Amino acid sequence: EVQLVQSGAEVKKPGESLKISCQGSENSFTTYWIGWVRQMPGQGLEWMGIIYPGDSETRYSPSFQGHVTISADKSITTAYLQWSSLKVSDTAIYYCVRHHVHSSGWRLDYWGQGTLVTVSS
Amino acid sequence: AIQMTQSPSSLSASVGDRVTITCRASQGIRNDLGWYQQKPGKAPKVLIYAASSLQSGVPSRFSGSGSGTDFTLTINSLQPEDFATYYCLQDHDYPLTFGGGTKVEIK
Repeated sequence: EVQLVQSGAEVKKPGESLKISCQGSENSFTTYWIGWVRQMPGQGLEWMGIIYPGDSETRYSPSFQGHVTISADKSITTAYLQWSSLKVSDTAIYYCVRHHVHSSGWRLDYWGQGTLVTVSS
Repeated sequence: AIQMTQSPSSLSASVGDRVTITCRASQGIRNDLGWYQQKPGKAPKVLIYAASSLQSGVPSRFSGSGSGTDFTLTINSLQPEDFATYYCLQDHDYPLTFGGGTKVEIK
């Protein structure tokens, strides 16, 4: 069974850097796109971007481009989401999710358990 | 970016009711739409993809319809485990965009 296991909760101060991870359970990790979705406290879901671990091609939502970096290390079937300078407004749960390509689009079929990031001075 | 307008934002219903949630896209997206269920403290789960295809393992009381700009998620005979928040997601174009969510509560 496919599993995406995310790193644990983080508490950081504004201006600090952070890298959270999402490890896939199977070798086919490199043949699927992995994306990240943000959920701010009490709010809805926001799609941030995706990466194809096979060749590290990435696509970002304009809302997040330039503020986060999505990367992957296919040798350890792990995707990452990182910030170089956190803001209080980055406080949220971040989910990694496998994007499965079907005939006409995407299906977000396997989700990690979520990583809570708290940014507070 | 394509905007997804979901309605209602919340609704109260009883076990056994039929529930309908709608999503409207700001431009045509063919049938490139999915529906996701999220329970408190849990990750979302895909119910429907390609507007009307039922994800494996999802009960048949869930169904989706629509194409172009207007889409519907229907839950027939609402069950206690269906009380949750539901989101539509357009996967027609980047960036993918979610609707604002519909919270289904117990009446």
